[in-house]
Amino acid sequence: AQKITQTQPGMFVQEKEAVTLDCTYDTSDQSYGLFWYKQPSSGEMIFLIYQGSYDEQNATEGRYSLNFQKARKSANLVISASQLGDSAMYFCAMRENNFNKFYFGSGTKLNVKP
Amino acid sequence: IAGITQAPTSQILAAGRRMTLRCTQDMRHNAMYWYRQDLGLGLRLIHYSNTAGTTGKGEVPDGYSVSRANTDDFPLTLASAVPSQTSVYFCASSEGNEQFFGPGTRLTVL
Repeated sequence: AQKITQTQPGMFVQEKEAVTLDCTYDTSDQSYGLFWYKQPSSGEMIFLIYQGSYDEQNATEGRYSLNFQKARKSANLVISASQLGDSAMYFCAMRENNFNKFYFGSGTKLNVKP
Repeated sequence: IAGITQAPTSQILAAGRRMTLRCTQDMRHNAMYWYRQDLGLGLRLIHYSNTAGTTGKGEVPDGYSVSRANTDDFPLTLASAVPSQTSVYFCASSEGNEQFFGPGTRLTVL
C-alpha cells in the first residue's frame, strides 16, 4: 500500500491567492513526522515545513502552514498569498520514527498564474 | 559551504558496468539516505544508514549496495547496471526534524 498519497498531479492558482495541496498518509506507527518539500525546475529539494505526530498545533513557517488532521491521516500544505516563485513540484513525505525511514508521495506540480 | 556533495553530476553508463555514486556531507549528521527520482513516482528510498557502520534497505534496494565506513561518506554502488536504473539519484542526510539533500546525480544506463 502507498504510504503517502498525493492525488493532485497538477494545480493552478492565481497569484496572491491561497492554495491547498493534499496529502494523505498511511502508517500504524504512533510516532512519525510529516514533511513538505519544494522542488523547483532547477532540481534541488528545499525543505518547507515539518509536523510531528504528537504536535497538537498545526505547523506554520511564513506563508506555509500544514493542516494536520490526525484522525483522517491527512497533512495538507496551505500556501497563502501565492507568488510566481512558488511554481514548482511539491512533495509530501513521512518519516516513520522507529526506523528513521522516509517515504515520499508522487508530488503535485503547482503553477502560479500572474 | 556546509552541505552535501554528490559526484558525478551526470553519467552515461553501458549496461552491465559497475558504477559508484559518491556522497559526502560535512554536517556530521548521523543519518544518511539514497533516493531515486523517477517521473510520476516521486522519490523512493533505496538504502539508508542511521549511523556509521550500519545500513538498512529502503523501498527499492535491489541492484544497489551501500556502505557507511564513516560519518561523512555514503557511497551507492550499482554492481551491474541495467537500463531500469536510469534515474536521478539524490543523497540526503538528516538530524532532528530536517533532511538536507544533495544536488543529485543524473544517471543514464544504455
